[in-house]
Amino acid sequence: EPEVTQTPSHQVTQMGQEVILRCVPISNHLYFYWYRQILGQKVEFLVSFYNNEISEKSEIFDDQFSVERPDGSNFTLKIRSTKLEDSAMYFCASGRTVPDTQYFGPGTRLTVL
Amino acid sequence: AQTVTQSQPEMSVQEAETVTLSCTYDTSESDYYLFWYKQPPSRQMILVIRQEAYKQQNATENRFSVNFQKAAKSFSLKISDSQLGDAAMYFCAYRRSEYGGATNKLIFGTGTLLAVQP
Repeated sequence: EPEVTQTPSHQVTQMGQEVILRCVPISNHLYFYWYRQILGQKVEFLVSFYNNEISEKSEIFDDQFSVERPDGSNFTLKIRSTKLEDSAMYFCASGRTVPDTQYFGPGTRLTVL
Repeated sequence: AQTVTQSQPEMSVQEAETVTLSCTYDTSESDYYLFWYKQPPSRQMILVIRQEAYKQQNATENRFSVNFQKAAKSFSLKISDSQLGDAAMYFCAYRRSEYGGATNKLIFGTGTLLAVQP
């Protein structure tokens, strides 16, 4: 069964460094999402992406964040200058259509020191 | 703005017994989707069950079923014949139904941690 994959599973970085989190959505899906979950808290929406552009973003998704689909398979989240409060689990999700269920990847645990 | 509330931070159930997790939501929309996701210790988000608001029939998936009360804006999850592998955090989530629209983000509740006792 196709699944969403994410790399790396765990990334440790120093405050102020740039990180890129990578996702490979399910191949015939057209809608892509990033969510994050700070430890012990609920899952929060960051951004949705369709047709090579951002379709919606939350207040969390400020100028330090960007997303890109550099080729036909990868979907990336870049944090330009990480802060301590960016430490969280980041989930990528994809869906075939708007009403379709969103399928989540296993997540990337980001630790900012 | 839509909100999702899970009032039970933790629940416990004996193996083979039945447990019900509660979820309420607030929306002014008439058409939407509701979901239950399971998050085991590995922290992967796994879809358990999905309900379309326009369907009156409650969704079922094997041992998992929902009680969807649209007027009360309630969406509870019933797990029958609980197994040790059911132990996880369970999140209720809401999403608008908007064909061709951009607003299809999931809005999550705070979760219920379910323990299964052998």
